Amino acid sequence: TAGITQAPTSQILAAGRSMTLRCTQDMRHNAMYWYRQDLGLGLRLIHYSNTAGTTGKGEVPDGYSVSRANTDDFPLTLASAVPSQTSVYFCASSEQEGNTEAFFGQGTRLTVV
Amino acid sequence: DQQVKQNSPSLSVQEGRISILNCDYTNSMFDYFLWYKKYPAEGPTFLISISSIKDKNEDGRFTVFLNKSAKHLSLHIVPSQPGDSAVYFCAALGGNTGKLIFGQGTTLQVKP
Repeated sequence: TAGITQAPTSQILAAGRSMTLRCTQDMRHNAMYWYRQDLGLGLRLIHYSNTAGTTGKGEVPDGYSVSRANTDDFPLTLASAVPSQTSVYFCASSEQEGNTEAFFGQGTRLTVV
Repeated sequence: DQQVKQNSPSLSVQEGRISILNCDYTNSMFDYFLWYKKYPAEGPTFLISISSIKDKNEDGRFTVFLNKSAKHLSLHIVPSQPGDSAVYFCAALGGNTGKLIFGQGTTLQVKP
């Protein structure tokens, strides 16, 4: 079905290694977001992009980078993973920045060991 | 500092009864509030929202109430059904960032 696709679904990663979490949407939404979900902390914004070619930092950006080369793709990169980055990562999109409804992908469960 | 708080990690109710999930916020600049529902191994899905200029919004079995003076909102589900068992996230939009700020989530279990 249409919407947001994340890959991989899950991954075990050795500390110090790099990894890119992929996110693709086919709704032609301008705004895209990366959140991490941790028990007791809810969903916290890592990075966002209001439109292709622009990105911004969220609440917890350290250790992560993003790019937005086109409208559809918004990859999240961990340059050198640490165990505290073990989490479930959700990509989301909305029509415009500040648009009320955001649509989420199914998530990527990442374990850094 | 957590701007959106859900102080109850879990809630258990009997099928057919009312479920009330609560949420508090600290930033008076928020102008829109939303509730998301999340099943295991799935992403959150939008459930219902309310503008800060309203105090109630209803959609079928789901009603959201907003008390601006108390900086408090609640989600009422009546009657509750076993399929409502999920994690519910409160979220706020606006303030300084213009981005969705989420609470910690409340796990609802509806027992048959």
